[in-house]
Amino acid sequence: NAGVTQTPKFQVLKTGQSMTLQCAQDMNHNSMYWYRQDPGMGLRLIYYSASEGTTDKGEVPNGYNVSRLNKREFSLRLESAAPSQTSVYFCASRRGREVSYEQYFGPGTRLTVT
Amino acid sequence: EDQVTQSPEALRLQEGESSSLNCSYTVSGLRGLFWYRQDPGKGPEFLFTLYSAGEEKEKERLKATLTKKESFLHITAPKPEDSATYLCAVQAGWGNQFYFGTGTSLTVIP
Repeated sequence: NAGVTQTPKFQVLKTGQSMTLQCAQDMNHNSMYWYRQDPGMGLRLIYYSASEGTTDKGEVPNGYNVSRLNKREFSLRLESAAPSQTSVYFCASRRGREVSYEQYFGPGTRLTVT
Repeated sequence: EDQVTQSPEALRLQEGESSSLNCSYTVSGLRGLFWYRQDPGKGPEFLFTLYSAGEEKEKERLKATLTKKESFLHITAPKPEDSATYLCAVQAGWGNQFYFGTGTSLTVIP
């Protein structure tokens, strides 16, 4: 049982390049989330998917797109990377939207945009 | 605007020296307050969920409490392995969003 996995672990991009961050969970969870974590800012929600087939914007969605490929996988795409997107990106999953269900986080992707 | 503030930003304790971390929040319709532990280079790991004022939860040397405006994470007789960043988050309203504080970095010195 791997929990939440993320690929890649590290990535360096040049301004204007595109890339997709991959996330998968094997806990049969319905909800999945993408966060970014910056020093002094805490974790901020980019997008989430309450269930398979749905996605919604979070607090900081500009410059990102997401795809809920199936129940297991939720990807985050940067179409044209900017230095302001240098951050650590975390994917999380949750059994459902009920408050009693906690989030499980992946190990993170450390992205640098030069 | 929903807001979560944690204090102090950093805390250094001697092994065995008990203390408390604070998480204050201003949200409409709190549904739950969550505490997470984050080790360097890793994702946050769930510790507790608190639902209503007056509630308390305990796990080993950690005890979380909740009032109508803030939550405390009490650490009793900490050990070096308790060193980590502790994050607080709230879920408000009927949405699926969480709002996180910036965390308290705890260092326990042997």
